[in-house]
Amino acid sequence: QSVLTQPPSVSAAPGQKVTISCSGSSSNIGNNYVSWYQQLPGTAPKLLIYDNNNRPSGIPDRFSGSKSGTSATLGITGLQTGDEADYYCGTWDSSLSAVVFGGGTKLTVL
Amino acid sequence: EVQLLESGGGLIQPGGSLRLSCAASGFTFSSYAMSWVRQAPGKGLEWVSAISGGGGSTYHADSAKGRFTISRDNTKNTLYLQMNSLTAEDTAVYYCARSSGVLIIPFNYWGQGTLVTVSS
Repeated sequence: QSVLTQPPSVSAAPGQKVTISCSGSSSNIGNNYVSWYQQLPGTAPKLLIYDNNNRPSGIPDRFSGSKSGTSATLGITGLQTGDEADYYCGTWDSSLSAVVFGGGTKLTVL
Repeated sequence: EVQLLESGGGLIQPGGSLRLSCAASGFTFSSYAMSWVRQAPGKGLEWVSAISGGGGSTYHADSAKGRFTISRDNTKNTLYLQMNSLTAEDTAVYYCARSSGVLIIPFNYWGQGTLVTVSS
């Protein structure tokens, strides 16, 4: 059981928008920055969003992040088949003194 | 160009020990916290251990405490994970990951991973 809760799967049609939620508590999301990672099949994870809503260079603005209270959300617009991947949220948990991840969300672009 | 290259994985019997290495290049290694993150077959990401840039502070997941030791040699630009008392539940791809700075997370660079299989 992951400390952070994500939906196991989401799906949408090409060109549409999807959001992926990540729910935690005051000891993790509530008081620490959230980052999001994309893992394409058979590859290592890649940083998509850091510090709640910032994109590393090279990440298209179709990807966005937000945080409110103890939850965070990843948004992807203009869905492409190449976006099919597993997405993970992560943050520091101050009570555990540990990094915690969500269980991951599989995105299917229909 | 930042590069992280893990090595040391393989097949090991239950109860055995293994040391993973991660050779870093393309950045000032001692300036960044580093972590090990693993992924069991078909499962999600699980953070294992982290170490500060200077090596003075270490952190471990509960699953690693007492069995795994993270260390680094800043003169060799190499990160290590010593794993003892291995069980089948430790079977996973182990990734070396670099933080974006002093903080442990976010991880802005990842290695390609090394597979550890614990089986008799």
